[in-house]
Amino acid sequence: DAGVTQSPTHLIKTRGQHVTLRCSPISGHKSVSWYQQVLGQGPQFIFQYYEKEERGRGNFPDRFSARQFPNYSSELNVNALLLGDSALYLCASSSRLGQGNTGELFFGEGSRLTVL
Amino acid sequence: AQSVTQPDIHITVSEGASLELRCNYSYGATPYLFWYVQSPGQGLQLLLKYFSGDTLVQGIKGFEAEFKRSQSSFNLRKPSVHWSDAAEYFCAVGAGGRGSTLGRLYFGRGTQLTVWP
Repeated sequence: DAGVTQSPTHLIKTRGQHVTLRCSPISGHKSVSWYQQVLGQGPQFIFQYYEKEERGRGNFPDRFSARQFPNYSSELNVNALLLGDSALYLCASSSRLGQGNTGELFFGEGSRLTVL
Repeated sequence: AQSVTQPDIHITVSEGASLELRCNYSYGATPYLFWYVQSPGQGLQLLLKYFSGDTLVQGIKGFEAEFKRSQSSFNLRKPSVHWSDAAEYFCAVGAGGRGSTLGRLYFGRGTQLTVWP
């Protein structure tokens, strides 16, 4: 079975541009979360969507937005790119919304964004 | 506020030696604790998790971790390290309790493990 898939894997943008990153969760998973991982740091939570509704938002500016589609895939959009937005953007999916003994986040391999 | 501290940025061990990676967390309610591993250019893979019950949890690849509430710690251990264990290791805490969501985790900054042959 396919895991979490993300596209593109690598991309280069210039300051001020816009970027869209895409994520397909594991089949049957209804929750998608986005994380930003800056070089040398741990992942930082950006958004969670469940059943197409936003269920959590981290401490990121309004330049960051996301949405989830009826097939549970998701897009992360970043406007007016800054040099500091250069990072690995990770998508994770889970079958459940809440915590539980069987709860687990499955991560994709990420989209590496470089802003010049 | 939730936070995770991994005091060791980089650890080097010889193959076959034992390993302990430290993790301290700060969270007011019932924490859910995780250890993830990340190889270069890869996403995160779950090694083990603690939700409740036995405070010593077993994970994949021979790893284990012990939850110590009194010390707010969740240290990762392996009795004998293999060269393939070289990677970056992240400890994470998730919110437990009513209304919490699985998708929001707070990660430490990671510990880079180097294994000498």
